Amino acid sequence: EIVLTQSPGTLSLSPGERATLSCRASQTVSSNYLAWYQQKPGQAPRLLISFASSRATGIPDRFSGRGSGTDFTLTISRLEPEDFAVYYCHNYGSSPHTFGQGTKVEIK
Amino acid sequence: EVQLLESGGGLVQPGGSLRLSCAASGFTFSSYAMNWVRQAPGKGLEWVTTISGSGGDTYYADSVKGRFTISRDNSKNTLSLQMNSLRAEDMAVYYCAKGGVGSGYYNCFDYWGQGILVTVSS
Repeated sequence: EIVLTQSPGTLSLSPGERATLSCRASQTVSSNYLAWYQQKPGQAPRLLISFASSRATGIPDRFSGRGSGTDFTLTISRLEPEDFAVYYCHNYGSSPHTFGQGTKVEIK
Repeated sequence: EVQLLESGGGLVQPGGSLRLSCAASGFTFSSYAMNWVRQAPGKGLEWVTTISGSGGDTYYADSVKGRFTISRDNSKNTLSLQMNSLRAEDMAVYYCAKGGVGSGYYNCFDYWGQGILVTVSS
């Protein structure tokens, strides 16, 4: 089973700042089958990025993903008020599907 | 517009059973794998189970294998999760989620339902 470790656990930033979130896998993620989701309180997760770097439909271009192998990054170039949320990475290239523990991006 | 609507949640005693349903619309249901993902109160996301587009292949997390059964009715665009021998640790919000591309297991989850709460308590 691939374990995904996200860091930091909490990121305290101001609107307009850049957010960099990390997701490290315990083994190589096959074919870069790595996704990122955003979840706000009381809501379902929303897909942001698939295949490590491909933005999902309707996702603003301030969200970008990169990485390969075992190290992946989600970057939010300029935080908007609606971006403060919890972010999860997801390995879907091997069995079982696994998620990171989440990074909370909070308003500083 | 893709819509996924879960139903069937509620309070059940430990050892009891519950059946969740997910009504899907806005896409060709039989062409996509479907999934259940759960989230315990205040915790992260946990994949539970996946079923292929045809329904011929199913996959389970070790934590639910032998107790939960996923199924689908492609004629009614409905996904189901039969949960037996429920434990306190199964208490969570359960999300129905559509597979991203094609009908197989190796997909991200591109659309999610709003979730349904399952409470396991005596």
